[in-house]
Amino acid sequence: QSALTQPASVSGSPGQSITISCTGTSNDIGNYNFVSWYQQHPGKAPKLMIYDVSNRPSGVSNRFSGSKSGNTASLIVSGLQAEDEADYYCTSYTVSNTLIFGGGTRLTVL
Amino acid sequence: QLQLQESGPGLVKPSETLSLTCSVSGGSINNNNYYWGWIRQPPGKGLEWIGAVYYTGSTHSNPSLKNRVTISVDKSKNQFSLKLNSVIAADTAVYYCARHSGLRAVDYWGQGTLVTVSS
Repeated sequence: QSALTQPASVSGSPGQSITISCTGTSNDIGNYNFVSWYQQHPGKAPKLMIYDVSNRPSGVSNRFSGSKSGNTASLIVSGLQAEDEADYYCTSYTVSNTLIFGGGTRLTVL
Repeated sequence: QLQLQESGPGLVKPSETLSLTCSVSGGSINNNNYYWGWIRQPPGKGLEWIGAVYYTGSTHSNPSLKNRVTISVDKSKNQFSLKLNSVIAADTAVYYCARHSGLRAVDYWGQGTLVTVSS
């Protein structure tokens, strides 16, 4: 299975909003509302930020939101803060009963 | 609070079998809401899903690794395990054990353990 496609990097200034895209196919993102997003700081384990396209786990800031259109999902981070600087990964459930990750996006807060 | 902890050798020789165990505390593996699985991350690279096991022993694996991967569960010890055979240098990675909410999302992660494949 090929990885979901994410931009290698995005950047924004404090207070701004950014969007990270995650593109798959009709075998994964396009067929299920089971997209999740993870934040990973250097040397740390990933942390679940969004599940089922747009749901936030308890304790995750409401500055993080998610959406989906067709085969592409998006993570939106509003009111950027320095602590948001990290790597972000998307995943999707697939028709083969597996999980597939995106290649990851480095978010830089300028 | 649920906690997961990986354990196993940090160095494996090429062509041998990588074996890791994940000990779960603060919750039971014997739960029909979750899968228990493995994810790896080569140094400086992205995350790759390896596979997951249900409390019944039913498994799902990444097709690219399927022939080399065995994931099993030991309910009596509240542990699950990963075996990856015929390892090569490209299998060098940080290996994370994790709880999966169905196969939809990974909601709890271990801290990760680095396994190096080298002679």
